[in-house]
Parts: sequence; structure tokens; C-alpha cells
Amino acid sequence: AQKITQTQPGMFVQEKEAVTLDCTYDTSDPSYGLFWYKQPSSGEMIFLIYQGSYDQQNATEGRYSLNFQKARKSANLVISASQLGDSAMYFCAMGGTASKLTFGTGTRLQVTL
Amino acid sequence: ETGVTQTPRHLVMGMTNKKSLKCEQHLGHNAMYWYKQSAKKPLELMFVYSLEERVENNSVPSRFSPECPNSSHLFLHLHTLQPEDSALYLCASSRGRVSSGANVLTFGAGSRLTVL
Repeated sequence: AQKITQTQPGMFVQEKEAVTLDCTYDTSDPSYGLFWYKQPSSGEMIFLIYQGSYDQQNATEGRYSLNFQKARKSANLVISASQLGDSAMYFCAMGGTASKLTFGTGTRLQVTL
Repeated sequence: ETGVTQTPRHLVMGMTNKKSLKCEQHLGHNAMYWYKQSAKKPLELMFVYSLEERVENNSVPSRFSPECPNSSHLFLHLHTLQPEDSALYLCASSRGRVSSGANVLTFGAGSRLTVL
């Protein structure tokens, strides 16, 4: 079975600062993928970034980067230069050999002036 | 239109009503999904369709009935729901099944359901 744990229910960050959102996972699948999604108040889940379990380098997409530490089973999301529009719920998810994504409970990020 | 479109965005229904949620994707994807999002709980996968065939049903009560007439459309038929079924229902699509671990899901904005 797969499990995703997000221990931060809420986070605050000042505009233009960097923030790290934590995610740890557990799986018995030899090959898996880790995803981060953003959910603004409008409800839509927006894909941000993907990391494959065999990828040698940490994934980056613009201001988003994924700090992947396989031995620690962690896949933290780093957002650099935070903007007010980054305020939203952020979900970590895992895909494996089963036909589904397993999601964490999410972290609510508030960006302040 | 592009992406994944869900209608209605908001729905209020009584426990004896019958209603349907609709999802449409214009991405050429082959797999479609229904997820349930309740407050303070992880997203729960309900159903998966791959090439119009239901490939997964995660112990969902029979009062929820999915239908996938073609690869672009997905419905969730609702009847005799309970108040605890109130939630945000999210539809998603992907190019294929997520069995590779690398398939990115594209989500719609959801249908907010309230059962009175």
C-alpha cells in the first residue's frame, strides 16, 4: 500500500521569500512517481511538478523544485520567490504500479505582504 | 474549449433526488477518473475508466453510478445520497493509466455537492 504524509496543515511565507512544503511517502513499489498539485480556492487541481523514483536529478519547473531524498522517502516542494498568487492548498501525491494516485491531506500556504 | 470541464459547478440535492455530474475532456486522453474530496481528508479515488472500460471501483456505494459513453465524457449518476456524501467531486483525465507512475492527471474544477 502507498501512503503520503504531509505534516504541515498550514504555512505562512512572506512575498519574495522561499518556502518548503514537506512530504514523506511510503511504498513497496520498486518504481514510482511523486507529484505536487496546487489547488486554489476555485477548486481545480493544477499539476506543478513530477519526480520519478529513478531520476538522478531533482526536478525543477520554473520557481518550483522538488527536493527528492530517496533514502529518507521525502519529496519536499520548494517554491522560490513566493508570490501572492501562490496562496493555495498544495497536495503531494504518489503514483505506482496501481492505476491511481495516492494523495496527502495537503498544506495550506498563505503568502503575505 | 480545452482541458477538463465539469458541470454543474454547484449542486444541492435532497436525499431522494436523482442527479448527474458531467465531465468532459478535450485533451485526447484515454483514461478518466472520479475523485471525492471531503474536508480534511485526502482525495479518495472512486472510479477509473480506461478506453471507456471501468478498470477500478474503490468500494464505492451503489448510490454512485458512473458512466463513460466515450473517451471524452464521464458521468457520475447520483441517487438516494446521504448527507455525508456532501463533498467536492473532481474529475480527471490522463493519457493512459497511471500504472507507470509517471502519468500526469489533468483535473477539472470540481462539482461541489451538498446533500440535504
